[in-house]
Amino acid sequence: GESVGLHLPTLSVQEGDNSIINCAYSNSASDYFIWYKQESGKGPQFIIDIRSNMDKRQGQRVTVLLNKTVKHLSLQIAATQPGDSAVYFCAYGTPGGGADGLTFGKGTHLIIQP
Amino acid sequence: DVKVTQSSRYLVKRTGEKVFLECVQDMDHENMFWYRQDPGLGLRLIYFSYDVKMKEKGDIPEGYSVSREKKERFSLILESASTNQTSMYLCASGAVFTYEQYFGPGTRLTVT
Repeated sequence: GESVGLHLPTLSVQEGDNSIINCAYSNSASDYFIWYKQESGKGPQFIIDIRSNMDKRQGQRVTVLLNKTVKHLSLQIAATQPGDSAVYFCAYGTPGGGADGLTFGKGTHLIIQP
Repeated sequence: DVKVTQSSRYLVKRTGEKVFLECVQDMDHENMFWYRQDPGLGLRLIYFSYDVKMKEKGDIPEGYSVSREKKERFSLILESASTNQTSMYLCASGAVFTYEQYFGPGTRLTVT
């Protein structure tokens, strides 16, 4: 989930296992959602996005699930690899938010154990 | 592929110095953004611009100013750097009427 305070939530998984990273959002009017991956010392990198008219979207080894009823978003990474170690954070857009309409979560640190 | 570049990856400045951080994007995006990222606080928006010579304050504009003289270039200026401005600075760009933002690699600024 998203962090409160100074420490990011950490998810530790074994290499080859599937990972699920969660995100909660607060505004029911949000209609666009993105997952970003940020490796140490680098800028955030776009992974996958989904619009509110969808419940699920799949990419290469990643799936995003959207549950609008409970305002919850998740990122599933299949067969995690060492290169998946990073901080993952969600962002969501709300109509009328203007050019700065994206709200960012604080992130989850994914650690891949060998 | 969208490319957003930032002038420096690492920068060390002294308190009171004027600091310029440059960002260039090559996708003809109208929107450009400056964020700072601090542990536990996530990304915080400093300023954004939706057109040349236009700028809007974000959540934490104090101590910063920006300049956008050309569409592809957005500069962040610290008029008089202070130690509490030590942070990772991220630039992003995006097309008009879209939410998606593409980020640069970041500049880690240390003010001593």
